[in-house]
Parts: sequence; C-alpha cells; structure tokens
Amino acid sequence: DIQMTQSPSFLSASVGDRVTINCKASQNINRYLNWYQQKLGEAPKLLIYNANSLQTGIPSRFSGSGSGTDFTLTISSLQPEDVATYFCLQHNSWPRTFGGGTKLELK
Amino acid sequence: EVQLQESGPGLVKPSQSLSLTCSVTGYSITSSYRWNWIRKFPGNKLEWMGYINSAGSTNYNPSLKSRISITRDTSKNQFFLQVNSVTTEDTATYYCARGAPDYWGQGVMVTVSS
Repeated sequence: DIQMTQSPSFLSASVGDRVTINCKASQNINRYLNWYQQKLGEAPKLLIYNANSLQTGIPSRFSGSGSGTDFTLTISSLQPEDVATYFCLQHNSWPRTFGGGTKLELK
Repeated sequence: EVQLQESGPGLVKPSQSLSLTCSVTGYSITSSYRWNWIRKFPGNKLEWMGYINSAGSTNYNPSLKSRISITRDTSKNQFFLQVNSVTTEDTATYYCARGAPDYWGQGVMVTVSS
C-alpha cells in the first residue's frame, strides 16, 4: 500500500495568514491526489482534485500543488470559516490511502 | 444535488455482523462512478474499505477482503456494507462516498462492544 505522510498534524494560525499543509507519498502517485476539508459533524468536502484542480464552488484562496511524491495545500489568506480538519487522499492505486489529517485552528 | 446518507445500528456486539445502508438521491448508482465505503477510526485515521461500481462489480481493501461484502439494490438506489466477525477494532465512523470521492455522506458512528 502507498503510505501518505501528512504534516503538520496540528496547526494554529491567525486570520489572514498563509497556511500550507503537506502530504508526502511513499512512491510516485503522479498527480492523483485530492484534498478534503472536514468540519465537525459534517461530511468531508472535496477542495482540490488531481493535485491542483479547484473543485467547483470552492473559494480561490485554496490551491494545491505538487506531483510525484510531494504535495501541498495552500490557503492564501485564512478565514474563520476555514477552521476544520484537512486530509489528503491518493487515488493513483488500490487500495486508496489517506494522510493522517491536519487540524487547523485559529490563533 | 447528489446526496448520500448512511444508516444502520450504532452498536454491534463482537463476533456479530455490521450492516449499513447508503441511500443515494440526486444520481443513479447505475449511471456511473464507483460507490465507496470509507471509515474513520477514533484518532482520525481513515481507511478506504471498498467499492461497488455502476455495473455491480466490487473491489475490496485486501486488509478486509475476507470479512466484507458490498452489495446494492438498484430499485431503491441504495448500496450496502456488511462486515463480518467484528471486533472492537471495527469501532469507527462509517462513510459512503461517490467516485473520487467527490460527494460523501455525513457518516454513521458504529461502536463494537458487548
């Protein structure tokens, strides 16, 4: 199975900050990586698919980059409504595997 | 709008079977996509369990292959998860999800305890 290592596990930032979250794959997954946001008690929401494509309806402050083994989710200017847990998913091969998650809170 | 909703018992005894239903509205499960089951353990680790595709074929995580079954009822636009011989390690929040996945249900918490 492909191991996905996500960092950091916990992040505290202020409104307006630029925030970055990373996922590293144990082997080449090309660009087959998605990023999700999950707020407490809600269904996960797809933010970014195929490493850098913004899902319809997602604010443009969210962006993704990377290919191969190293990927980054960036929030360009943190908003209060962005408080959530973020996780990555590789869909290059079976079984699909997930990063461990990043809990983002406001400082 | 596509919506998925999980349902099933919140408490299952060890060694019994866990059975969950995913009801889909806004899209036919026979049109396209893979229809997945995913679970999140206490501590937030996520595990992809398996899928049934629009043609009815299945694919399971090898870690679970001997214990799980995913089936569907196309007349009700539902698909199902069964996990046999559960242990406390199967305590998790169970999600159904479409495709990549792009749409997820809100999840149902299942506790395995005597």
